[in-house]
Amino acid sequence: SAVISQKPSRDICQRGTSLTIQCQVDSQVTMMFWYRQQPGQSLTLIATANQGSEATYESGFVIDKFPISRPNLTFSTLTVSNMSPEDSSIYLCSVESGDYEQYFGPGTRLTVT
Amino acid sequence: DAKTTQPNSMESNEEEPVHLPCNHSTISGTDYIHWYRQLPSQGPEYVIHGLTSNVNNRMASLAIAEDRKSSTLILHRATLRDAAVYYCILRDFIAGANNLFFGTGTRLTVIP
Repeated sequence: SAVISQKPSRDICQRGTSLTIQCQVDSQVTMMFWYRQQPGQSLTLIATANQGSEATYESGFVIDKFPISRPNLTFSTLTVSNMSPEDSSIYLCSVESGDYEQYFGPGTRLTVT
Repeated sequence: DAKTTQPNSMESNEEEPVHLPCNHSTISGTDYIHWYRQLPSQGPEYVIHGLTSNVNNRMASLAIAEDRKSSTLILHRATLRDAAVYYCILRDFIAGANNLFFGTGTRLTVIP
């Protein structure tokens, strides 16, 4: 199993600013994932982050808007850049364990005004 | 990954069994069937997964149809804590699909 923490748990930001979300895992993992969950919606994968390589972004998400860092096997950050109200969502990170289970963090609730 | 179809919502009385259906008529031979659930204000959590045979764990049972085009997640005795959105997801590990594609899921309401 894996225990994941995220910071901040929530934030209210002004449009045009950026927010960096941190994801910390209690064990070393190869793959980390970032998801977005818009209000009342299901989860959508933003990107996959492997340590030592560039993140792989899903269709509709670009690095300039959602830059990701993965400096080591237990940590990753996602930045939401130049925010607009449409970016108001819950952002979640997850990791894959060896037994094909994914473990999710508690999420970061972002409100953009 | 092949897609799944689930009812939008279901209700169950507390302490009664719940059968959550999922249709996946385009499933491939290498797709595993995974179930996750998302409790209110929390991230999703793994429930169970299987390939062909029925599976049991401490949380639930997974019944897989013989042709694998449908499956059913069974909660043997619903509690109020089981109220959540349940997602049925197909994952093709042979193709290297590590990410999860979340559909709309089934919102389970448990009535005291």
